[in-house]
Amino acid sequence: EAGVAQSPRYKIIEKRQSVAFWCNPISGHATLYWYQQILGQGPKLLIQFQNNGVVDDSQLPKDRFSAERLKGVDSTLKIQPAKLEDSAVYLCASSPGPYNEQFFGPGTRLTVL
Amino acid sequence: DQQVKQNSPSLSVQEGRISILNCDYTNSMFDYFLWYKKYPAEGPTFLISISSIKDKNEDGRFTVFLNKSAKHLSLHIVPSQPGDSAVYFCEGDNTNAGKSTFGDGTTLTVKP
Repeated sequence: EAGVAQSPRYKIIEKRQSVAFWCNPISGHATLYWYQQILGQGPKLLIQFQNNGVVDDSQLPKDRFSAERLKGVDSTLKIQPAKLEDSAVYLCASSPGPYNEQFFGPGTRLTVL
Repeated sequence: DQQVKQNSPSLSVQEGRISILNCDYTNSMFDYFLWYKKYPAEGPTFLISISSIKDKNEDGRFTVFLNKSAKHLSLHIVPSQPGDSAVYFCEGDNTNAGKSTFGDGTTLTVKP
């Protein structure tokens, strides 16, 4: 069974630039999560989708972050414009449902200069 | 307000001995808890879970204990192996609200 795929693995941008991350969850998994993990901290949930609907985006900085999950399959997370404090690893995870264990992708390491 | 706390940033044990990783939580609405293991440059992988209606769950070398009155859970690894060296994250879930919260992790080092 293929795992959660994410791209790119690494991205370096300058502040005020835009960046987008892509995630392809495990086939058949209805729930998809985006997390931000700052060095030395645990993953912080940014947004949770159930199929293509948003379940929770209470911690998503909506003035600069946006996410979509078209057709309830893969998803993109965008930051526009980026700030220095956005430097982190962005993790995508999926699960069969909202109350199951999560399967994580390898993450995208973003560096904002 | 950090609802899930892993107060020990790091732990070092000798191979073959027991590793005990601790996690405290403040949200009484959490009804499901999970432990994940993370190697460098990889995403976390699920290890073991426990429902709030239980006080113990065991899977091979891994056992999770839950003390609801103390709002405390622990992960025991016996015997510890060098391959267990990783960062361990505790997660608390409020399944009714669909909310999950992670601790900041504990780095376990198992010395040969």
